[in-house]
Amino acid sequence: NAGVTQTPKFRVLKTGQSMTLLCAQDMNHEYMYWYRQDPGMGLRLIHYSVGEGTTAKGEVPDGYNVSRLKKQNFLLGLESAAPSQTSVYFCASSELAGGYTGELFFGEGSRLTVL
Amino acid sequence: AQSVAQPEDQVNVAEGNPLTVKCTYSVSGNPYLFWYVQYPNRGLQFLLKYITGDNLVKGSYGFEAEFNKSQTSFHLKKPSALVSDSALYFCAVRDWSGAGSYQLTFGKGTKLSVIP
Repeated sequence: NAGVTQTPKFRVLKTGQSMTLLCAQDMNHEYMYWYRQDPGMGLRLIHYSVGEGTTAKGEVPDGYNVSRLKKQNFLLGLESAAPSQTSVYFCASSELAGGYTGELFFGEGSRLTVL
Repeated sequence: AQSVAQPEDQVNVAEGNPLTVKCTYSVSGNPYLFWYVQYPNRGLQFLLKYITGDNLVKGSYGFEAEFNKSQTSFHLKKPSALVSDSALYFCAVRDWSGAGSYQLTFGKGTKLSVIP
């Protein structure tokens, strides 16, 4: 079972460059999320989606954009990368009910370094 | 907004000893509380949850958590620690996003090291 797959797993960018992280899930989940993990900060929600064609802002959305054109995919974009966006990014998904009961399925993470 | 706090950045315990990872919460209304575990270079995995009912919740890998309303705590416990339990543990609380959906708010994490 693939579950939640993130690509790429590692990326190094220069300040000002753009990139897109792709998240794909094969569990037919309605809810999808992008988190960032920083030392001492835990996980912080960037954006999320409650279904195909929908997106919403989380706790730290500035500098990021997202799209959910297909139910199974959730893209996170950085239009102009900044060193403050150096982080490990996690995608997660949950069933409709899971959005209410907290059972999220996570990908293995994408480590992004912005120089 | 709901929040959780994990007062210890790191917990060290000898293999075979009982372990406790602490979590306190601040919520309005009934709390929905969760524990997740993150092994090195992996994503988070769901361990257990408290929604309602018994104050002692059993989860995966022999872990359990005790909900204490008077102390606003939800500590994670295991009777006998294994070296393979060494990982980063996150407490989380369900919060209303204000945009028509519930979300999870995570604590900062506690690193558990089980010493052989």
